Amino acid sequence: QVQLQESGPGLVKPSQTLSLTCTVSGDSITSGNYYWSWIRQPAGKGLEWIGRIYISGSTDYNPSIKSRVTISVDTSKNQFSLKLSSVIAADSAVYYCARQYPYYHYMDVWGKGTPVTVSS
Amino acid sequence: QSALTQPASVSGSRGQSITISCTGTSRDVGSYNLVSWYQHHPGKAPKLIIYEVGKSPSGVSNRFSGSKSGNTASLTISGLQTEDEADYYCCSYAGGSIVVFGGGTKLTVL
Repeated sequence: QVQLQESGPGLVKPSQTLSLTCTVSGDSITSGNYYWSWIRQPAGKGLEWIGRIYISGSTDYNPSIKSRVTISVDTSKNQFSLKLSSVIAADSAVYYCARQYPYYHYMDVWGKGTPVTVSS
Repeated sequence: QSALTQPASVSGSRGQSITISCTGTSRDVGSYNLVSWYQHHPGKAPKLIIYEVGKSPSGVSNRFSGSKSGNTASLTISGLQTEDEADYYCCSYAGGSIVVFGGGTKLTVL
């Protein structure tokens, strides 16, 4: 059974960098069969796709936050990570990681999410 | 890319059927048969219930069905059950390796 688990600080100060990690179990990131994605949900709002990474290192990002986002992968730990720089209060959200199918683009396995608050 | 448009809320009685719409544009929903739907119970992981407009993942109830006409996709839930009460999100491929979500619809089962 494939499982994804997000981890990272729950509180980040404005202007700093938000860093989260997603640990994958039950599947290998190096299999090359999927993309690995980040999605967020601000309180009271809908889901927003942030971006994704393929094992080759190729990334795709939401144009609305592309300038501040970096997604990377650590194959030795079967993890992938999100960094969001220069955060503001509007970046406060529950952050989810998910496995995403190439070509068809749907996300079939999700983590439970981790809340992040941006506040001084 | 703008978010897809969903009604903020829908409701239905147990046993009835409801339909949730998801309106996009010719650049996303209208151009690709790559719409997916997710059920989200607050505090839990979102769950894929429909992909490629109308296909159902293994293990998902056949009470959930999807369709598309033009720039609008739809999710129909038949035989409403109490456990169907949740938030529902549509998602579409929008070209350029980007996907866009809808704003979400809160389903209340009366």
